[in-house]
Amino acid sequence: EPEVTQTPSHQVTQMGQEVILRCVPISNHLYFYWYRQILGQKVEFLVSFYNNEISEKSEIFDDQFSVERPDGSNFTLKIRSTKLEDSAMYFCASSRGGVGEKLFFGSGTQLSVL
Amino acid sequence: AQKITQTQPGMFVQEKEAVTLDCTYDTSDPSYGLFWYKQPSSGEMIFLIYQGSYDQQNATEGRYSLNFQKARKSANLVISASQLGDSAMYFCAMREASGGSNYKLTFGKGTLLTVNP
Repeated sequence: EPEVTQTPSHQVTQMGQEVILRCVPISNHLYFYWYRQILGQKVEFLVSFYNNEISEKSEIFDDQFSVERPDGSNFTLKIRSTKLEDSAMYFCASSRGGVGEKLFFGSGTQLSVL
Repeated sequence: AQKITQTQPGMFVQEKEAVTLDCTYDTSDPSYGLFWYKQPSSGEMIFLIYQGSYDQQNATEGRYSLNFQKARKSANLVISASQLGDSAMYFCAMREASGGSNYKLTFGKGTLLTVNP
């Protein structure tokens, strides 16, 4: 089965530093997402991306966050100035269109902000 | 209001027995999809089963079945013949057609299932 690939699997950074989390969605998928999960808590929606633009973002996705699909295969999440509370597992996901299409999730990037 | 409610933070089941994980949802959209994902301790999100709002029959996938009661807005996951490897966090999620160019999944808080030998 095709996979969503995320790199790195772990990222440690200092507070205030910029981080870029990378994802390669499944090639024929059209919808792309970032979710985050603070340890032991629910999976929270951050942003969805379709047709080369953000289609929805949550209140968590403030001006410190941005997404890009620079080359038609990669999908990145940038956090400009990390805070301690950004420490979480970040999941990338992709899907085809339609309400019945499942989201395929990557294995996640564990971000630790020190 | 929460769109997905999972009222059981934790559940225990004996190996080889069946277990039901509860999920209720809230939507005014006539077209929606309900999903269950499993998250083992390793952290990945594994798709288990899907139920569409217009589906007449309950979905089944191997040992997983979905008890879909549309009028009650519930979509409970039934795992038959539990195995030790079923110990994991289970998330119920919904996708609404009115999401348009979004189709995001909204998750519940999850239920931690422990299978005892």
